Amino acid sequence: EAEVAQSPRYKITEKSQAVAFWCDPISGHATLYWYRQILGQGPELLVQFQDESVVDDSQLPKDRFSAERLKGVDSTLKIQPAELGDSAMYLCASSLPLLAGGHETQYFGPGTRLLVL
Amino acid sequence: QKEVEQNSGPLSVPEGAIASLNCTYSDRGSQSFFWYRQYSGKSPELIMFIYSNGDKEDGRFTAQLNKASQYVSLLIRDSQPSDSATYLCAAGGGGFKTIFGAGTRLFVKA
Repeated sequence: EAEVAQSPRYKITEKSQAVAFWCDPISGHATLYWYRQILGQGPELLVQFQDESVVDDSQLPKDRFSAERLKGVDSTLKIQPAELGDSAMYLCASSLPLLAGGHETQYFGPGTRLLVL
Repeated sequence: QKEVEQNSGPLSVPEGAIASLNCTYSDRGSQSFFWYRQYSGKSPELIMFIYSNGDKEDGRFTAQLNKASQYVSLLIRDSQPSDSATYLCAAGGGGFKTIFGAGTRLFVKA
């Protein structure tokens, strides 16, 4: 069964350090999402890609976060420098684009749990 | 600001009972509605999606949508202890951002 892959699964870092997360969406899914989920809350969208283009990054803290999807397949989310408040689960999801009749049903990867000390 | 509201719970039901989870959304432009199950420490897993008013059944799960009332619900029949999790409701579609609720914690007592 096709799945969204993410790595690493867990990351512990010290504040002011740089961290990077990787995501490989389900094959054929042109739309890729990065979410942050704080304990007790729902996922919050950080950035959405359609192929290699950013569709929505309005909630991405651009002073420290960056995301890229250079070839329109896998994607990397980076935080530099990490802050204590960045401790959360970082989720990647993918979906078929709306025109393909996928109704934007999103499928999530296993997530990366980040702890900033 | 677009919102999806859920009762945080916990909702506690005995094994074999029907669990009823509710959700309201603020954006009338929302076209697609999703229910995800999330076990502690794990990522959300899609249970069901619904686009049309009325009921949609899949095994022990039934999703209900009332666009006039901006209300979505999920019924779980014959609840099992393995159903104990947080259930996330999400609204979006039509090219707009999908907004997630904070989730309802369900506890099924054996």
